[in-house]
Amino acid sequence: SQQGEEDPQALSIQEGENATMNCSYKTSINNLQWYRQNSGRGLVHLILIRSNEREKHSGRLRVTLDTSKKSSSLLITASRAADTASYFCASDRNSGNTPLVFGKGTRLSVIA
Amino acid sequence: GAGVSQSPSNKVTEKGKDVELRCDPISGHTALYWYRQSLGQGLEFLIYFQGNSAPDKSGLPSDRFSAERTGGSVSTLTIQRTQQEDSAVYLCASSLELGSLRGDTQYFGPGTRLTVL
Repeated sequence: SQQGEEDPQALSIQEGENATMNCSYKTSINNLQWYRQNSGRGLVHLILIRSNEREKHSGRLRVTLDTSKKSSSLLITASRAADTASYFCASDRNSGNTPLVFGKGTRLSVIA
Repeated sequence: GAGVSQSPSNKVTEKGKDVELRCDPISGHTALYWYRQSLGQGLEFLIYFQGNSAPDKSGLPSDRFSAERTGGSVSTLTIQRTQQEDSAVYLCASSLELGSLRGDTQYFGPGTRLTVL
């Protein structure tokens, strides 16, 4: 079953605004990753945050992790039309060698 | 190659035909994954390989689906007697290791868009 669940399912904002997407997961993790997908093709890794980290930055991306709430958020600041894509969180399961579990994704539309 | 490649990029087939989808992972990556994605939907996990071994095949939708990996490299996903509901984008990904505490970042191919008429 899907461990990661993103919300909202879809988000539409104006260029220049910030976009926040949330992800919840069910079991304890070693790390959580965020991926981006353009036009239904391959996903691209954006950022990884470890279970002992609370916040991580990469350019205009900021990821937070709250292990007590089993949740993470992805913030894109000063959004651009080119940020339009689907964003997925993916969590591992702190229970051995098992693959990442991807959420259903948030479809972000940035309107110029 | 530099990234994960998949072939064909598009496949149109008639209901009842068999199809074979191919994935070439990044060289040296021991883990390989197959996913399916219907239009506008999330990723549906199908199967993963650690080396040539697939420890868990329970994600395959039916016994018409099978996958193999040879030489720890190329993988093929075979769908027998295709049905219209098999129409989707099939994505392959690879990672250096599986379940690494350093994070098994997955690198995705561009996908194969399968259309069953």
